[in-house]
Amino acid sequence: GAVVSQHPSRVICKSGTSVKIECRSLDFQATTMFWYRQFPKKSLMLMATSNEGSKATYEQGVEKDKFLINHASLTLSTLTVTSAHPEDSSFYICSVGTENTEAFFGQGTRLTVV
Amino acid sequence: AQKITQTQPGMFVQEKEAVTLDCTYDTSDPSYGLFWYKQPSSGEMIFLIYQGSYDQQNATEGRYSLNFQKARKSANLVISASQLGDSAMYFCAMRPNTNAGKSTFGDGTTLTVKP
Repeated sequence: GAVVSQHPSRVICKSGTSVKIECRSLDFQATTMFWYRQFPKKSLMLMATSNEGSKATYEQGVEKDKFLINHASLTLSTLTVTSAHPEDSSFYICSVGTENTEAFFGQGTRLTVV
Repeated sequence: AQKITQTQPGMFVQEKEAVTLDCTYDTSDPSYGLFWYKQPSSGEMIFLIYQGSYDQQNATEGRYSLNFQKARKSANLVISASQLGDSAMYFCAMRPNTNAGKSTFGDGTTLTVKP
């Protein structure tokens, strides 16, 4: 069964609105989760590290105010794309990992901003 | 800093034949893990195989095996007896053992299995 659940799997929103994506760890408590962005036929690019109970750590070039991350509990991290624009359209995927295991990925969210 | 290089953007293989997907890496971390993931058109990331940097033997998981050559910093994936369902994008990834879960991915290889 799924270890990480990501919701929604697809979302279409209007330009200027905000979209929230949820990532839930189902089988274990995750103090750290990771958010990636993937363009079509491209690699996964790490956007930020979500830390439970503290601020997220963003990778260079990722706008903190555009991509808000909240990790309020050990099983839930959320990514909110604020004031979305068409260039934010992409595939967003979260992952949870512990030492000595592979990273467990959510199913991904395909965001389309129109 | 870590870097993963996958030099084959696309590969074709005949059904039932074996195929090797190349992956080289660069890291200054003394201890790390190497992973291969399969991503079908649905987008989900499917874990295939793991190799620890201190593992003496090459990892195998069913039809998947990892040809690990530490001195050459390569971790090629071998898929034996290819099936039509193996057609997908394949990513090589690395993660230092000091930073659980934070992975660096290669650009991927699109594998097409021909009937």
